[in-house]
Amino acid sequence: DAGITQSPRHKVTETGTPVTLRCHQTENHRYMYWYRQDPGHGLRLIHYSYGVKDTDKGEVSDGYSVSRSKTEDFLLTLESATSSQTSVYFCAISESKVSEQFFGPGTRLTVL
Amino acid sequence: QQQVKQSPQSLIVQKGGISIINCAYENTAFDYFPWYQQFPGKGPALLIAIRPDVSEKKEGRFTISFNKSAKQFSLHIMDSQPGDSATYFCAARDGGSQGNLIFGKGTKLSVKP
Repeated sequence: DAGITQSPRHKVTETGTPVTLRCHQTENHRYMYWYRQDPGHGLRLIHYSYGVKDTDKGEVSDGYSVSRSKTEDFLLTLESATSSQTSVYFCAISESKVSEQFFGPGTRLTVL
Repeated sequence: QQQVKQSPQSLIVQKGGISIINCAYENTAFDYFPWYQQFPGKGPALLIAIRPDVSEKKEGRFTISFNKSAKQFSLHIMDSQPGDSATYFCAARDGGSQGNLIFGKGTKLSVKP
């Protein structure tokens, strides 16, 4: 998976609890992305980063925040998880905005 | 909202047959059209991609056909094999933005032996 790891790979949590997902890359790529994948919806962009401390919102950013304090790590935080955030979350990286995006193995999150 | 419309949602093909998946878009600023392949439990992986200045791109058994005037593109899998059974996503990139990809909703392909 192109030097991308995601942790945890599976998580079950309760409504209202905070959750942080981590994406770690060893490729030194500038761009990093968080997507969620739901049946019938394909992949939808949550947030992305175009450099350390440089982030922006995607299509479905409500209820999510991100941080990128160093090149290799991109964190996705659900401040107060809801059942509608049950999903599979994928991190992706790319060298530039016109380069191929490589995806990580995903994190399956269940919010009860 | 920018959209990429993908069809069909699911597809069953016999081994050796041709699988065809179609996508349509509206935004003329899209400048790059990749197809991703995803196996269960894995992340999507780039399969093949095309830019709008060519009408066709072939890599092995996989071909993208692109119709700029109709704003449509399609993936053809020749001699489909059971190992091709996966979910396929088309996508489009807006060249005027940060280059984010807009994905279709996916097509689940099953190739029967």
